[in-house]
Amino acid sequence: GAVVSQHPSRVICKSGTSVKIECRSLDFQATTMFWYRQFPKKSLMLMATSNEGSKATYEQGVEKDKFLINHASLTLSTLTVTSAHPEDSSFYICSALDSGSSYEQYFGPGTRLTVT
Amino acid sequence: GNSVTQMEGPVTLSEEAFLTINCTYTATGYPSLFWYVQYPGEGLQLLLKATKADDKGSNKGFEATYRKETTSFHLEKGSVQVSDSAVYFCALSGGTYKYIFGTGTRLKVLA
Repeated sequence: GAVVSQHPSRVICKSGTSVKIECRSLDFQATTMFWYRQFPKKSLMLMATSNEGSKATYEQGVEKDKFLINHASLTLSTLTVTSAHPEDSSFYICSALDSGSSYEQYFGPGTRLTVT
Repeated sequence: GNSVTQMEGPVTLSEEAFLTINCTYTATGYPSLFWYVQYPGEGLQLLLKATKADDKGSNKGFEATYRKETTSFHLEKGSVQVSDSAVYFCALSGGTYKYIFGTGTRLKVLA
């Protein structure tokens, strides 16, 4: 099946720094990717829809200047958490939409961000 | 708007017990329905799906039937194993391909 990777899998950063998370579709092209945030023992919250070659669409309540999304190619989307604070600590999961065939979403393994 | 309601967990069962995790949905049109599983520290894996009414999704002994009349997509397995311990998410996808997830149900299977 289709594979989506995320890098890094875990990251610890100091408060005030920025962190970049990569999401790659390894064996298919994805014009659309999604970024989710998962709080401990909670469901996934959709943060934004990442569109290749255009601006991301953010869900209500998500700060676009805080969570910068760049979808520079058909296989790569990046999420940058700017000026991170401890409350940004979370599990971030991306998914990629296989627009070539099934229109099914394939999920990455997630990135655990801890801000100290 | 669209929504998914999932039974609260945690669910604790003995090995070989029968499992049911309830999921109901509210949606306009004809959404696709999914069950995802999340093992500790990992991302989501698609367990099964159904794209139209009366479809039955099945995988690894798990089954769920798309019931439009009751707007339900309950997950069942006849005999659970310790390795099935995980969090299970019910989800729907409408025309925009955005997924709406339920709150997740944690399953713990005891040997």
